[in-house]
Amino acid sequence: DQQVKQNSPSLSVQEGRISILNCDYTNSMFDYFLWYKKYPAEGPTFLISISSIKDKNEDGRFTVFLNKSAKHLSLHIVPSQPGDSAVYFCAANSGAGSYQLTFGKGTKLSVIP
Amino acid sequence: KAGVTQTPRYLIKTRGQQVTLSCSPISGHRSVSWYQQTPGQGLQFLFEYFSETQRNKGNFPGRFSGRQFSNSRSEMNVSTLELGDSALYLCASSLIQGGLKTQYFGPGTRLLVL
Repeated sequence: DQQVKQNSPSLSVQEGRISILNCDYTNSMFDYFLWYKKYPAEGPTFLISISSIKDKNEDGRFTVFLNKSAKHLSLHIVPSQPGDSAVYFCAANSGAGSYQLTFGKGTKLSVIP
Repeated sequence: KAGVTQTPRYLIKTRGQQVTLSCSPISGHRSVSWYQQTPGQGLQFLFEYFSETQRNKGNFPGRFSGRQFSNSRSEMNVSTLELGDSALYLCASSLIQGGLKTQYFGPGTRLLVL
């Protein structure tokens, strides 16, 4: 039972355009959501997060949107750059004193120059 | 600050052997979590330690164990290795900022079981 789903295994975007990565979750206890970027043979790098009390969080070129009623979040990257090409993971935490993260299976983003 | 460090980076073992992986968290971080990444299953939670106590455990067999030391460094051990244990093992240390918990990952240990 996958509690965090990233339904698009891959996404290709032209350089300079917007990249939109999507994530759905089923567990209503999740209250904190994070996006990580991962290159092959490296650990995930934290990008941006959002608490369930917000619906948007922005950091430079990265914006995360949260729609709690739809149990959906998305990561927008504007403008996309070739260096953004990597696998992006959505993760969720249910609080309650635990640091455990539940991850989606990732979306491979390719930014074409 | 130095990031999360993991040793060794690469390891080759044979079936039936046991292995110990080490993780040093970011200075000041007291929580350490371990994850297994495989192509088929993605990133899966193994266990979490805080102040030398295991607080949470994922759905893995008892062959997978861990511990945390008083300096927050952590080790995980896998006994009686199986081919399916080949994976990237990731350690993450955690910081609470504004009541929110963010995990920062190390580079991982790539384990190959032959």
